[in-house]
Amino acid sequence: SQTIHQWPATLVQPVGSPLSLECTVEGTSNPNLYWYRQAAGRGLQLLFYSVGIGQISSEVPQNLSASRPQDRQFILSSKKLLLSDSGFYLCAWNTGTRGYTFGSGTRLTVV
Amino acid sequence: AQTVTQSQPEMSVQEAETVTLSCTYDTSESDYYLFWYKQPPSRQMILVIRQEAYKQQNATENRFSVNFQKAAKSFSLKISDSQLGDAAMYFCAYYRPGTYKYIFGTGTRLKVLA
Repeated sequence: SQTIHQWPATLVQPVGSPLSLECTVEGTSNPNLYWYRQAAGRGLQLLFYSVGIGQISSEVPQNLSASRPQDRQFILSSKKLLLSDSGFYLCAWNTGTRGYTFGSGTRLTVV
Repeated sequence: AQTVTQSQPEMSVQEAETVTLSCTYDTSESDYYLFWYKQPPSRQMILVIRQEAYKQQNATENRFSVNFQKAAKSFSLKISDSQLGDAAMYFCAYYRPGTYKYIFGTGTRLKVLA
């Protein structure tokens, strides 16, 4: 069966520090991978998506970046975090029309 | 551009009663898919129900069913026999094949009253 792992679950980082969030998928090949951010009580903002190894599409220009070094691995990074980067980050995958499967999310607080 | 609108920021329902959450969307496409997702307090996003636009029959999953009105571009979610565990944010989403991206509404917070 397909599973998606996202870590860490919670992260508190100082302003200006780097960030690395990782997401891996098991049980499927060549998934479409996504990073979303959700502010408290708000909707979902698509940050990045990838339809293949090394291919990244950016939806929101900011100080975040994404990489896909392996077929089932998706990484969200920042060199220097801002206070505005705080939020709930969700990784998701799909292979077309069956709907997203989401990870359990990372709650990031930048202090 | 396609848009998804959830006009009810918050809804309440008495336990064991029925509630309907509204969703409208705007598209000129004929081939697309619609979804309802549930986000409980744990914030894990869970797929509730999926509807294929070319199927006239409304999708159902146990106590959850949809009223899909393609001409009106309406996709409402009906929850029957509401339970305390149904309390969550509910998001409506639209997907057009080939675009890779799902478009989400802003969500409806459902409160279930005991």
